[in-house]
Amino acid sequence: KAGVTQTPRYLIKTRGQQVTLSCSPISGHRSVSWYQQTPGQGLQFLFEYFSETQRNKGNFPGRFSGRQFSNSRSEMNVSTLELGDSALYLCASSSYDRGRDTGELFFGEGSRLTVL
Amino acid sequence: AQKITQTQPGMFVQEKEAVTLDCTYDTSDQSYGLFWYKQPSSGEMIFLIYQGSYDEQNATEGRYSLNFQKARKSANLVISASQLGDSAMYFCAMRGGSYIPTFGRGTSLIVHP
Repeated sequence: KAGVTQTPRYLIKTRGQQVTLSCSPISGHRSVSWYQQTPGQGLQFLFEYFSETQRNKGNFPGRFSGRQFSNSRSEMNVSTLELGDSALYLCASSSYDRGRDTGELFFGEGSRLTVL
Repeated sequence: AQKITQTQPGMFVQEKEAVTLDCTYDTSDQSYGLFWYKQPSSGEMIFLIYQGSYDEQNATEGRYSLNFQKARKSANLVISASQLGDSAMYFCAMRGGSYIPTFGRGTSLIVHP
């Protein structure tokens, strides 16, 4: 069973540019969530999509957005990049369905973004 | 609001010995789940073990066990018979009624030969 795939793995951008990151979940998983990991703030939740609908959103500015396609693949976009956006962006998929209190996350290897 | 606290920034253990990684949590939710993840230097977070708030028995998965003390709001991870490949960052996390997972700051574990 193929795992979660994130592309690109590494990228370098300059301030003011925008970036789009892609995530392909495990086959059959309908939930995809995104996280930002930095040394200063740790691992922070960005948003979660389930069946093409955003059902949870973390405390990030509107420059951070995402979407999910009918095949469950997801993209996140960061516009007007700032130096502080440099981070490892992790995507996770889950078969988690509300009503159950389980649902481990399966993570990709992440996209490491450097903003110069 | 949910909060996860991992007070050990770094831990060292000898190969083949057991090690306990501490995790305390705070939540007002009655129903919640607790998770541990491992993050090697490659960056990928790997799920290790899960404990539900209503589970009466401590969870175990191979060499991993979760020491769940609900009254103390602690969910410590015990790794038995440490291996060199266990060297990594370990994150405690929880998901409650908001369904948004909260992660601790992590503990770096180094296993010495």
